[in-house]
Amino acid sequence: QVQLQASGPGLVKPSETLSLTCSVSGGSVSSFYWNWIRQPPGEGLEWIGYISYTGGTNYNPSLKSRVTMSVDTSKNQFSLKLSSVTAADTAVYYCAREAYGFFDYWGQGPLVTVSS
Amino acid sequence: QSVLTQPPSASGTPGQRVTISCSGSSSNIGSNTVNWYQQLPGTAPKLLIYGNNLRPSGVPDRLSGSRSGTSASLAISGLQSEDEANYYCSTWDDSLNGPVFGGGSKLTVL
Repeated sequence: QVQLQASGPGLVKPSETLSLTCSVSGGSVSSFYWNWIRQPPGEGLEWIGYISYTGGTNYNPSLKSRVTMSVDTSKNQFSLKLSSVTAADTAVYYCAREAYGFFDYWGQGPLVTVSS
Repeated sequence: QSVLTQPPSASGTPGQRVTISCSGSSSNIGSNTVNWYQQLPGTAPKLLIYGNNLRPSGVPDRLSGSRSGTSASLAISGLQSEDEANYYCSTWDDSLNGPVFGGGSKLTVL
């Protein structure tokens, strides 16, 4: 059974960079696509982007200028950096595996609050 | 404003059949398969339906999905209290070059 767990600071100051890591167990990041998806409190889901095991990336155009994703196959984890955050970036951040066009495994992400 | 349009709410009594619709366009539902996710309060979404109408192992057959043109729907028959949750449709969007979601539908079991 594949399990994902996202971790990182729960509070980030405005204009700073949000950094999260997703650790994968029961499976390898050396296949499939690894995604970040966020959900503002009380709202719907927004896809942030994905990274493949080769390091290839695809980001949501609305966030592309601020997003960087990376993968570490030796640690079996992948990461998200979102720069210049504002209050609008306050959300629960999920990591998820994409297989054949759908998200089959999700990690429970932290609520990240952007506030001074 | 979500790319895919869902009704914000749906409801039914135990044992009833309810459907949740998802409307899109030719660049998303019209040309790609649709997936459905269930989200219980405080938890991560869970895959319910993929490839329009396929169920992952463990999902009961009283849940079904369908797609026609630029719309899709999720049907839940024999409604149970445990079905009370938020439901999201999702598909790939060729214009965005990425996956998109509906705004979610909150299902209440009366």
